[in-house]
Amino acid sequence: QVQLQQSGPGLVKPSQTLSLTCAISGDSVSSNSAAWNWIRQSPSRGLEWLGRTYYRSRWYYTYAVSLKSRITVSPDTSKNQFSLQLNSVTPDDTAVYYCAAGIRGLFDSWGQGTLVTVSS
Amino acid sequence: EIVLTQSPGTLSLSPGERATLSCRASQSVGSNYLVWYQQKPGQAPRLLIHGASIRATGIPDRFSGSGSGTDFTLTISRLEPEDFAVYYCQQYGDSPPYTFGQGTKLEIK
Repeated sequence: QVQLQQSGPGLVKPSQTLSLTCAISGDSVSSNSAAWNWIRQSPSRGLEWLGRTYYRSRWYYTYAVSLKSRITVSPDTSKNQFSLQLNSVTPDDTAVYYCAAGIRGLFDSWGQGTLVTVSS
Repeated sequence: EIVLTQSPGTLSLSPGERATLSCRASQSVGSNYLVWYQQKPGQAPRLLIHGASIRATGIPDRFSGSGSGTDFTLTISRLEPEDFAVYYCQQYGDSPPYTFGQGTKLEIK
């Protein structure tokens, strides 16, 4: 069973960059069968898939169209983890952010969640 | 993008009763790639059902999923106290975006 442990700040100022990390145990970020995702949840938007990365002989990245200009999901093979960066945040980006593992969008392992508040 | 609409928004039942939750898709969900999750306060969603009807590992058999195309149902045959939570459906597959329903809150009557 894959376990995911999230870390990162809970408060980000408007216009700055939100950065979160998800450490993986029980699998490898370079696995040829898994994908590594970020999802957020807010009262206004509900559950929203943000983006993913996975390795199939090379690295692939896919992002939600609404965030494509602001989001980066990156693997870190040396630490067996992956990260989320969301640029130019506004209060509308306030949410609980989750990392999740799964194949083809079937999320069978989740991180514990991080409440990120965007406020000055 | 497939839009998923869940009904009812809130379902009030008593332990021992049967719960029926609905998820309707705006277009056909390919290969019945439909998932149900359970979420309790302060916790991440937990995978219950995938492939519309396949229970995930460790999920009690009082949970069952059915449906195809655009109409899907999650049934809990006899509610236990720990089943009162929010339930979400989600469609998955080869191509994102992966979308979720807005949730059904199952509360104790």
